[in-house]
Amino acid sequence: QVQLVQSGAEVKKPGASVKVSCKASGYTFTSYGISWVRQAPGQGLEWMGWISAYNGNTNYAQKLQGRVTMTTDTSTSTAYMELRSLRSDDTAVYYCARLDMMVRGVYAFDIWGQGTMVTVSS
Amino acid sequence: DIQMTQSPSSLSASVGDRVTITCQASQDISNYLNWYQQKPGKAPKLLIYDASNLETGVPSRFSGSGSGTDFTFTISSLQPEDIATYYCQQYDNLPRYTFGQGTKLEIK
Repeated sequence: QVQLVQSGAEVKKPGASVKVSCKASGYTFTSYGISWVRQAPGQGLEWMGWISAYNGNTNYAQKLQGRVTMTTDTSTSTAYMELRSLRSDDTAVYYCARLDMMVRGVYAFDIWGQGTMVTVSS
Repeated sequence: DIQMTQSPSSLSASVGDRVTITCQASQDISNYLNWYQQKPGKAPKLLIYDASNLETGVPSRFSGSGSGTDFTFTISSLQPEDIATYYCQQYDNLPRYTFGQGTKLEIK
């Protein structure tokens, strides 16, 4: 079945970097985009950016420009999100989600990963 | 940046009630609006895309309407399994996305 499976929980110190993976299965990876969304404890959803698995084009939230990099490995159908210079307010659950722009022309996130908890603490 | 104002922030209703949540954009976004349901400890789930299109497999008691700046999400007859937080999401042509603040729905 169509699914996104994310890497496990991470604990990082302030100033460090984290790289979260998102492995896709059950569909043609390069026909879709992958978006990343995070949710701080008890808070709402925050869009971080997206990457086209077709051509690698990216679009990042202005707030995270310069600290975030999204990449894909089409040979393993895996997307990655790296966040650098971590601060305590980056503590959140990080989700990847499929973006169905090319197949259905739907600019919504129709399949989600299970989430990865990233804790930033000294 | 486009701001989204979602209301109410929380809502208590009885099983069988009609429930309505609104989302207002700070400028005209045409029909570029989606709705998601998030249950505690779970990833969000897409319910409605492009303001009024029901995602495949989503029960027909869920619906969405609106265009321009004012949008409405409706549950026609509340079921116990609908207890969740609901988010609107707007997008532009790049696309970039913004979520509303969320509406926590509880059973009375």
